[in-house]
Amino acid sequence: SYELTQPPSVSVSPGQTARITCSGDALPKQYAYWYQQKPGQAPVVVIYKDSERPSGIPERFSGSSSGTTVTLTISGVQAEDEADYYCQSTDNSGTYVVFGGGTKLTV
Amino acid sequence: QVQLVQSGAEVKKPGASVKVSCKASAYYGYNFNAYHLHWVRQAPGQGLEWMGWIKLNSGGTNYAQKFQGRVTMTRDSSISTAYMEVTRLISDDTAVYYCARDSCGGDCYSGGFDIWGQGTTVTVSA
Repeated sequence: SYELTQPPSVSVSPGQTARITCSGDALPKQYAYWYQQKPGQAPVVVIYKDSERPSGIPERFSGSSSGTTVTLTISGVQAEDEADYYCQSTDNSGTYVVFGGGTKLTV
Repeated sequence: QVQLVQSGAEVKKPGASVKVSCKASAYYGYNFNAYHLHWVRQAPGQGLEWMGWIKLNSGGTNYAQKFQGRVTMTRDSSISTAYMEVTRLISDDTAVYYCARDSCGGDCYSGGFDIWGQGTTVTVSA
């Protein structure tokens, strides 16, 4: 079955730049989405279609894509950004949705 | 603004079934049927797991292979509510279950989610 691979954890100091990667063979063909989840809360989309930012999401969140890897970048990380981040996409056919294993961002 | 409001927590015994609801609370004129609705679950301390989707205008479904035969997704468009039933519950089904709206409205499908419900905790215990 299709898998998306994320690092389990990323740690940065406040004000630094955090980069979280997500790798998958179908990513050149299918869009990726990124969700932020804080303890006890439902996930919230922070990036959609690889690099689009929803309204209300701070500009410090950005997304990019290169080949089989997509990257979530958080510039000028703030303490409130500490959370779990999940990438999500679909398989090559677009039929099945897949999540990455999640990355715990520690600030 | 659209919200997805889910039913309350459930405690079930192994072998039982559970049915979770997800109601769209929205402005007048919101087209509930214009979207696909996905279901995702999260076991304690674990990641997100996609279960499947229902196309709200037709009732068509697509389930993850892991859940085929044990999960049924339905909807009642007259009350803007979708349902997800899991049968033959085991302890590993203990999780928070989320509904989430596909981000593409109209006759399309994106596979990504823009709005999530608040989650429903299902506990399976003897």
